[in-house]
Amino acid sequence: GQNIDQPTEMTATEGAIVQINCTYQTSGFNGLFWYQQHAGEAPTFLSYNVLDGLEEKGRFSSFLSRSKGYSYLLLKELQMKDSASYLCAVRDSDTDKLIFGTGTRLQVFP
Amino acid sequence: DSGVTQTPKHLITATGQRVTLRCSPRSGDLSVYWYQQSLDQGLQFLIQYYNGEERAKGNILERFSAQQFPDLHSELNLSSLELGDSALYFCASSAGQGETYEQYFGPGTRLTVT
Repeated sequence: GQNIDQPTEMTATEGAIVQINCTYQTSGFNGLFWYQQHAGEAPTFLSYNVLDGLEEKGRFSSFLSRSKGYSYLLLKELQMKDSASYLCAVRDSDTDKLIFGTGTRLQVFP
Repeated sequence: DSGVTQTPKHLITATGQRVTLRCSPRSGDLSVYWYQQSLDQGLQFLIQYYNGEERAKGNILERFSAQQFPDLHSELNLSSLELGDSALYFCASSAGQGETYEQYFGPGTRLTVT
């Protein structure tokens, strides 16, 4: 079976740094994705990790530890527009399908 | 704009009815995926097609069916609709399968069943 856990809600202040954690248990693993989704809109791709370590992309970084079944998304220099849901998704190794967590709703306050 | 188009944007219908949602993938993408997102719930994978063939199935109800046509567009058919089917339905596409292909999501169809 597959299970993905992430916190339901987080809050942070503009300009700060926030880390959103994701833990997963899957029968097969072929990469972990982070997507951003604003309310009522389509998810948009943020990052992809398949090997252990940190991937940095501007203000966003994502980390993966396959042995621990753990990932985090790090958002730096938070802006108001970063208020959104952040979805962690694991790709099944037998198919292409993505298994999504329920998402973490981040609210950024001034 | 992801390049994935979905129609209609909104759909309001009554219980027991049947609807068809349409998706056109990005140019050149062979894989199409359908997801359902109910209020305050995560994205639930429904089904995937690759170059016209069904590739993977998720928690798709028997009342739902899909297909991918030779021009690679896809349709999701929902029948005998129930109130609980009200949700956002997203289509996504990717270039291939079995590789590190990112999925690009369409804007979604918001289905309301009354």
